Amino acid sequence: DQQVKQNSPSLSVQEGRISILNCDYTNSMFDYFLWYKKYPAEGPTFLISISSIKDKNEDGRFTVFLNKSAKHLSLHIVPSQPGDSAVYFCAAANFGNEKLTFGTGTRLTIIP
Amino acid sequence: DTEVTQTPKHLVMGMTNKKSLKCEQHMGHRAMYWYKQKAKKPPELMFVYSYEKLSINESVPSRFSPECPNSSLLNLHLHALQPEDSALYLCASSQVAETRRRETQYFGPGTRLLVL
Repeated sequence: DQQVKQNSPSLSVQEGRISILNCDYTNSMFDYFLWYKKYPAEGPTFLISISSIKDKNEDGRFTVFLNKSAKHLSLHIVPSQPGDSAVYFCAAANFGNEKLTFGTGTRLTIIP
Repeated sequence: DTEVTQTPKHLVMGMTNKKSLKCEQHMGHRAMYWYKQKAKKPPELMFVYSYEKLSINESVPSRFSPECPNSSLLNLHLHALQPEDSALYLCASSQVAETRRRETQYFGPGTRLLVL
């Protein structure tokens, strides 16, 4: 039972344009969502998070949007840079539970 | 400083060997985690320690034995592993979640394990 899904295994975006990565979840108890970036042979690096009491959180080039009614979140990267090429995982957690449930990941390639 | 360190970076072991993976953090975090990640798959939680006590064991086989000697250290003892246990083993740490405040998990670089 995949509670967190990233339906696009890969995405290619021109440098300087916007990258939009999507994530859907099924568990309505999730109340905290995170995005991680992962380079090969490295651990995931935390990028940005959002609590269910918000619908948007911004940090520099990264913005996460949460649509609770649709059980959908997205990560926007503007402008996209070559160093953004990596695998991006969304993750979710519910209150009182230390467990993170990860999506399957989206490989983002930024084309120079 | 959000650094979690893991040693060794790579490990090759036979099915009869005993080895240990080590994880360390100096951020004052009181929750530490072990994850297993197979190629092209998301990380899967194995164990969670909270205040040096095991709080979650995701039905992991007993050939994996976690240990938390103090609040900065987390070990994973390996014994009689199978080839299918070959994977990237990730350690993470976080503050302990309290009330409605959520705490982010920070990951180490991982130990790539190959069981022959």
